[in-house]
Amino acid sequence: GQNIDQPTEMTATEGAIVQINCTYQTSGFNGLFWYQQHAGEAPTFLSYNVLDGLEEKGRFSSFLSRSKGYSYLLLKELQMKDSASYLCAVKDSNYQLIWGAGTKLIIKP
Amino acid sequence: DADVTQTPRNRITKTGKRIMLECSQTKGHDRMYWYRQDPGLGLRLIYYSFDVKDINKGEISDGYSVSRQAQAKFSLSLESAIPNQTALYFCATEGHGDHGELFFGEGSRLTVL
Repeated sequence: GQNIDQPTEMTATEGAIVQINCTYQTSGFNGLFWYQQHAGEAPTFLSYNVLDGLEEKGRFSSFLSRSKGYSYLLLKELQMKDSASYLCAVKDSNYQLIWGAGTKLIIKP
Repeated sequence: DADVTQTPRNRITKTGKRIMLECSQTKGHDRMYWYRQDPGLGLRLIYYSFDVKDINKGEISDGYSVSRQAQAKFSLSLESAIPNQTALYFCATEGHGDHGELFFGEGSRLTVL
């Protein structure tokens, strides 16, 4: 079966750095996405990786290793507004998105 | 105004009732999706549509139906609601770019008693 694994919850301190991991087992691979979802709100797109390596976008970076079926989202200079759930999703060989359950990130002052 | 709009935002109904959730978009995207989100689970695809004449079942289509009235409108119906359909429902459109990011509506929270 197809599976996306990510930690259920993480806690970090304001101003620090946090890395949220995502491992996947899917039938084929056509890209990996990260979305941010604040409580009670819609998910919003953060990043997309299809080739191995690091994609940087401001305070957020996303890394992909296709051979390891692994990605991480790196958040720097954490702010209280970064408290949210972070969803990892992979497009499989049929271009269907498979979603992880999300990682709830709690930021403490 | 939101680019992807869902109505109603909240609905409480009783078992056996027919419910329609509506979604409209101003982004001009052809591809639209309906997902449900439950605590502790990833988003699960109910139905999707690549254009007005193309509608496809997702992984959990049983108990649901959809209608694509126009490029901009995609409605989800629960023919006879049951309590385990209590969930947060999201409509989304897919962008035209290479990677096809999704743009989500604000969500419709449905409670079936």
